[in-house]
Amino acid sequence: EVQLVESGGGLVQPGGSLRLSCAASGFTFSSYWMNWVRQAPGKGLEWVANIKQDGSEKYYVDSVKGRFTISRDNSKNSLYLQMNSLRAEDTAVYYCASALGAPTGNWGQGTLVTVSS
Amino acid sequence: SYELTQPPSVSVSPGQTARIPCSGDALPKTYAYWYQQKSGQAPVLVIYEDNQRPSGIPERFSGSSSGTLATLTISGAQVEDEADYYCYLAGTSDFAFGGGTKLTVL
Repeated sequence: EVQLVESGGGLVQPGGSLRLSCAASGFTFSSYWMNWVRQAPGKGLEWVANIKQDGSEKYYVDSVKGRFTISRDNSKNSLYLQMNSLRAEDTAVYYCASALGAPTGNWGQGTLVTVSS
Repeated sequence: SYELTQPPSVSVSPGQTARIPCSGDALPKTYAYWYQQKSGQAPVLVIYEDNQRPSGIPERFSGSSSGTLATLTISGAQVEDEADYYCYLAGTSDFAFGGGTKLTVL
């Protein structure tokens, strides 16, 4: 069974940092582009970042460029999102998703990040 | 970056056809994808590459794209189709979801 399990969310003060992790199982992780997608409370989906299979290409939404870093460890079947200089508007459920747009893609259940003093 | 526009809401009665539009200047250059998200759940892909339906998605779901407009059509909408629907575009270095459309079936 394919599983994507996010962890690392929580409450952080503005300006603080968090590192999200996504543990993948049940599929060949190293064969897929991986993504982080977020959803603020009561709002729509927002694509945040993605990374190529070998980590050689990474793309970010403008609002997180220079603050967030996506990475992966194919030996551990894991995806990461390092989030620095967090702002209130970064408050959201963060989803890990494989192969957005592909019928073979999957999503995790999300981890909540709350940025508040 | 891509900008995709969807109406905030669409309402139909059970058995009617629901059409959810997504407009964007990038649509002529790339495929449109559609996700369904029910309350409290992760999104599910219902249409890929403009008009392809993943296995397990009912035949009543279909997609089309022409020029700067992509459309998700649910023919004979069911109560269980009530959800938020998002279009998604993927370019070579640009990726974006539309703002989402809440479909009400009642």
